[in-house]
Amino acid sequence: SQQGEEDPQALSIQEGENATMNCSYKTSINNLQWYRQNSGRGLVHLILIRSNEREKHSGRLRVTLDTSKKSSSLLITASRAADTASYFCAPRSNDYKLSFGAGTTVTVRA
Amino acid sequence: ETGVTQSPTHLIKTRGQQVTLRCSSQSGHNTVSWYQQALGQGPQFIFQYYREEENGRGNFPPRFSGLQFPNYSSELNVNALELDDSALYLCASSLPLTDTQYFGPGTRLTVL
Repeated sequence: SQQGEEDPQALSIQEGENATMNCSYKTSINNLQWYRQNSGRGLVHLILIRSNEREKHSGRLRVTLDTSKKSSSLLITASRAADTASYFCAPRSNDYKLSFGAGTTVTVRA
Repeated sequence: ETGVTQSPTHLIKTRGQQVTLRCSSQSGHNTVSWYQQALGQGPQFIFQYYREEENGRGNFPPRFSGLQFPNYSSELNVNALELDDSALYLCASSLPLTDTQYFGPGTRLTVL
């Protein structure tokens, strides 16, 4: 299996600004997923992008995937206080499990 | 709400004891995974059950074991608790042939 590594570790932005975080991984993937976690609670699935896709949108979220660079990015546009959370990427190889990195902690200031 | 519930919410045990954590998935979710999340870290995969059989395991010792039941509930059992077992334990379920996992709110285990 492989583990996603998120960058930066922490991000602080003003409400209304955009937040961008990156994910790198090591081997080939089937898909890559992004999850959000609020205050040590359960994770919430945000978006899944397959290895043959380059970009995907869901509401204020935009995810890109560059398999040649083994990297992905998550953009949150027009951030809100409710976006304050930790964000994790989870590359999924051909095995069955998700491997999470340490995440990016995003703080949105009012 | 993901429709996945876990019990108890919090638990305090002492070193050497045994603990059972429970998870209830949505109907039809025949795959359940368990994760351990230490403070400040991402979730680490413990194992996965599919149709009541373990079909994958992470780097955890045999004292971590599980069960999955036909009613879409499951258990995580940890024997001989160690201080380092203190963590948030998350279960996640998914529909057949899909990749999205639906997480429960977790059980916070403290080992003293």
